[in-house]
Amino acid sequence: QSALTQPASVSGSPGQSITISCTGTSSDVGGYNHVSWYQQHPGKAPKLMIYDVSNRPSGVSNRFSGSKSGNTASLTISGLQAEDEAEYYCASYTSSSTLVFGGGTKLTVL
Amino acid sequence: QLQLQESGPGLVKPSETLSLTCTVSGGSISSSSYYWGWIRQPPGKGLEWIGSIHYSGSTYYNPSLKSRVTISVHTSKNQFSLKLSSVTAADTAVYYCARGNSPYNWFDPWGQGILVTVSS
Repeated sequence: QSALTQPASVSGSPGQSITISCTGTSSDVGGYNHVSWYQQHPGKAPKLMIYDVSNRPSGVSNRFSGSKSGNTASLTISGLQAEDEAEYYCASYTSSSTLVFGGGTKLTVL
Repeated sequence: QLQLQESGPGLVKPSETLSLTCTVSGGSISSSSYYWGWIRQPPGKGLEWIGSIHYSGSTYYNPSLKSRVTISVHTSKNQFSLKLSSVTAADTAVYYCARGNSPYNWFDPWGQGILVTVSS
């Protein structure tokens, strides 16, 4: 199972909005509403930010939102803050009954 | 709140078996609603799902690792474990344990991770 495709890096200024894409196939992202997003700061464990495409766990800021269109899922962060600078990973259930992750996107807050 | 903590050797020799334990605190590993997973991250690289287990003992493995992986649950100790056999340098990674809502969907929370280096 190939990894999902994410841009290597994105950047934005404080207060702006950014979107990170996650492209898969009809056998993973496009076929199921089981896409999740994780935030990882250097040296720390990943933290769940979005599950099942667009749901936010309790305690996650409503500045984080998720969506999906076809084989591409997206994570949008609005009102960028310095603390949002981190690596972001998407993940999806697959038709082979496995979990596949994206390669990760480094978000830089300018 | 629920916390997970990985433990085990930080250095394993090539061809030997990597063995890690995840201790769950603040909740029961025997909850029928959850699954318990292992995910790894080679230095500077992305995440890879290794496998998951339910307290009943049902296991789910990544096909790419299945021939070398065994995940077990120890309900009396509120722990689950990972064994990865015939390791090579490619298995050097930070290994995380985490709670999942299904064998292969989202995981939350995660343990802090443990770096395992494969080297002679």
